[in-house]
Amino acid sequence: GENVEQHPSTLSVQEGDSAVIKCTYSDSASNYFPWYKQELGKRPQLIIDIRSNVGEKKDQRIAVTLNKTAKHFSLHITETQPEDSAVYFCAASYGQNFVFGPGTRLSVLP
Amino acid sequence: DAEITQSPRHKITETGRQVTLACHQTWNHNNMFWYRQDLGHGLRLIHYSYGVHDTNKGEVSDGYSVSRSNTEDLPLTLESAASSQTSVYFCASSDPNSAGGSYNEQFFGPGTRLTVL
Repeated sequence: GENVEQHPSTLSVQEGDSAVIKCTYSDSASNYFPWYKQELGKRPQLIIDIRSNVGEKKDQRIAVTLNKTAKHFSLHITETQPEDSAVYFCAASYGQNFVFGPGTRLSVLP
Repeated sequence: DAEITQSPRHKITETGRQVTLACHQTWNHNNMFWYRQDLGHGLRLIHYSYGVHDTNKGEVSDGYSVSRSNTEDLPLTLESAASSQTSVYFCASSDPNSAGGSYNEQFFGPGTRLTVL
């Protein structure tokens, strides 16, 4: 079955700096890779996603890149702001299901 | 507006008791999922359903059961609660054929915090 690894587990950046979170997956059949943001005490919410036929996707300050050959994908957040502080989860599709990474706790320091 | 809800939001129970967590969605999604969230483990799939009367075991299904008698609801039952089942439980739904939303996006409910003493 699918296995998703995510690094780092915690990340602290200064406000205005960039943050990068990396994930790897094992099943070459995975074709959809969403990223979810979970604020403290809240539900996970989709922030960006990418399909396997696309190498990069950008939405304002966030972007995701995908390397199918290496089976890894990354989340990039530029010009970080305090409201970006949260836990971020990557996921890889497994049929109609998702396998989630263990999460990255991002702290944006003022 | 369409939504997904869970009840109760918080539950404290004793070891050995049967507990049922409710999940209700009004998007008419075919797919519904139950996850548990524990520190360091992310979201782990317990059970899932692709439609009425369809149920499947996920990665951590031992001690849990689900039933799907209609499109809107997927209740999760802990047959005999154990302390190891203390966790936050999230229900989610998706339908790749639904208008709007991202491809195969899963929409999460607000979660239920369950404590087994």
